[in-house]
Amino acid sequence: DIQMTQSPSTLSASVGDKVTLTCRASQSIRTWLAWYRQKPGKGPHLLIYKASSLESGVPSRFSGSGSGTEFTLTISSLQPDDFATYYCQQYNTYPWTFGQGTKVEI
Amino acid sequence: EVRLVESGGGLVHPGGSLRLSCAASGFTFSSYEMSWVRQAPGKGLEWISNITTNGIITHYAEPMKGRFTISRDNAKNSLYLHMNSLRAEDTASYFCARGGSYFQFWGQGTLVSVSS
Repeated sequence: DIQMTQSPSTLSASVGDKVTLTCRASQSIRTWLAWYRQKPGKGPHLLIYKASSLESGVPSRFSGSGSGTEFTLTISSLQPDDFATYYCQQYNTYPWTFGQGTKVEI
Repeated sequence: EVRLVESGGGLVHPGGSLRLSCAASGFTFSSYEMSWVRQAPGKGLEWISNITTNGIITHYAEPMKGRFTISRDNAKNSLYLHMNSLRAEDTASYFCARGGSYFQFWGQGTLVSVSS
């Protein structure tokens, strides 16, 4: 199975900050990577697919980059709604696998 | 508005069975591959299974092979997950999601607790 490793596990930030989350794959997944945001008690929400494509309706403060084994999710100006846990997910090779998550907190 | 509503969760004894359902609305269900993903309490996300639009091709994560069966009824706009031989480690919230590779929309989840 392809292992997805996210860093950091927890990130402390403030409203207005620019934050960058990292996701590493144990082998190349080309650009078959998605990012999700999850708030407590809710299902995840798709932000980015194919490494850098912004999902419809997602604010432009979110951007994704990377290919192969190294990927980043950047939030240009953190909003109160963004304090949540973020997951990356590869869909290059079955079984699809998720990172362990990065919690963004105040 | 796309809606996915899971149901069928609950408390079940080890070795027991359960069938989860997912009612879809707000989109043409028969046109989309669908998936199940779960999340143990306080833990991360784990992909379970997906199914093609016509229900013919399915894939499973290894721990679920032979125990879980995904199916769909396009006439009823519904997705199902039949779970047998349940174990304590299957305790989780189970989400249905639209999409077979990445997941564009998710339900709120239904909680399955496996305990004696």
